[in-house]
Amino acid sequence: AQSVTQLDSQVPVFEEAPVELRCNYSSSVSVYLFWYVQYPNQGLQLLLKYLSGSTLVKGINGFEAEFNKSQTSFHLRKPSVHISDTAEYFCALIIQGAQKLVFGQGTRLTINP
Amino acid sequence: EPEVTQTPSHQVTQMGQEVILRCVPISNHLYFYWYRQILGQKVEFLVSFYNNEISEKSEIFDDQFSVERPDGSNFTLKIRSTKLEDSAMYFCASSSYPGTTGELFFGEGSRLTVL
Repeated sequence: AQSVTQLDSQVPVFEEAPVELRCNYSSSVSVYLFWYVQYPNQGLQLLLKYLSGSTLVKGINGFEAEFNKSQTSFHLRKPSVHISDTAEYFCALIIQGAQKLVFGQGTRLTINP
Repeated sequence: EPEVTQTPSHQVTQMGQEVILRCVPISNHLYFYWYRQILGQKVEFLVSFYNNEISEKSEIFDDQFSVERPDGSNFTLKIRSTKLEDSAMYFCASSSYPGTTGELFFGEGSRLTVL
């Protein structure tokens, strides 16, 4: 079975500091990987996705993620965060050919001024 | 910008009552989904729906649950006889492509509280 593990349930950082949100996955078959963000009182919004090709993918709002097949990781990074990045971030995967997104537990990113 | 809308935003019901959660997907999308998130737990897949039938469902989606697209615009999730453990945030999503390569657009969620 496939699974996604987000190692940190909460990450507090100061404004303008860099941040990395960790995501590891487990799957015996090829998968596509996603990061979703949920701002307060809003739905889930796609940040970025890895389907194939370059292992470094860039998303909205200055976020990027790197797919590492050997370490089965898909960590999300931003070089300088803003107060507006305060949200819950979800890593997810889908098996190629399937329709079911498998989510991690989520990481709450809190930005302190 | 087109968006997925869900109603109600919050519903409180008594155990054993029927609940219908409603969703209006993005108009040109063909694939529809329900997910749920119990407080403090992961977002879990419930069901996907395409061409007026269920295309995949999880083991959570038992006989108490049903989905339909009654009028070509709404997509509903019905829980026939609610249990305490059905308390969760329910997310509707839609997609113009199969979930393998396309983006799923999510609604803001419907919070269900079963007393």
